[in-house]
Amino acid sequence: RKEVEQDPGPFNVPEGATVAFNCTYSNSASQSFFWYRQDCRKEPKLLMSVYSSGNEDGRFTAQLNRASQYISLLIRDSKLSDSATYLCVVNMDFNKFYFGSGTKLNVKP
Amino acid sequence: NAGVTQTPKFRVLKTGQSMTLLCAQDMNHEYMYWYRQDPGMGLRLIHYSVGEGTTAKGEVPDGYNVSRLKKQNFLLGLESAAPSQTSVYFCASRLNSAGRAGELFFGEGSRLTVL
Repeated sequence: RKEVEQDPGPFNVPEGATVAFNCTYSNSASQSFFWYRQDCRKEPKLLMSVYSSGNEDGRFTAQLNRASQYISLLIRDSKLSDSATYLCVVNMDFNKFYFGSGTKLNVKP
Repeated sequence: NAGVTQTPKFRVLKTGQSMTLLCAQDMNHEYMYWYRQDPGMGLRLIHYSVGEGTTAKGEVPDGYNVSRLKKQNFLLGLESAAPSQTSVYFCASRLNSAGRAGELFFGEGSRLTVL
């Protein structure tokens, strides 16, 4: 069983749409949670951390549900530039970060 | 403003050959990591280091060795390459700070093909 599971997609949405991704993790002792963005053939880059109370950064909102062990990312008013693969990342001890296989988003004009 | 630099960026090897990937960071980060990324698998941790002179195994360490002789450099070695090691390899570093503990800074990746 994978430590972190994501729907691989792709999610194909028109510009301006709202899209949501979910991610589940297996270890209830996981400590911290993140969303990374990876463009095609590029390195991953931190998009946002995910806090228990939920957090928002512009058009992006992240939520954590510890009881159900899932993390979500909501993107409002999608832009063409949002097209990428979104990686869910879970930190289970201070040194190890477990990556989901990513959810691909295609935003179309 | 180099950040994390990996060399080489591309390499083709024959089965049984050896090679070393070099990762260098100029951010004075304590923690450094080597990951491999394969289609549908996500990034998997090979080895990591929590400081100069220390290394530890990750999820998939077999067939790889590492060294961290200097704080800024983390080397990944393949002693006898196998086709199963065909992958994209990413190096990452992280500051030893609880406040930004989640931000991994990645190099651009090294694409390795083993024939």
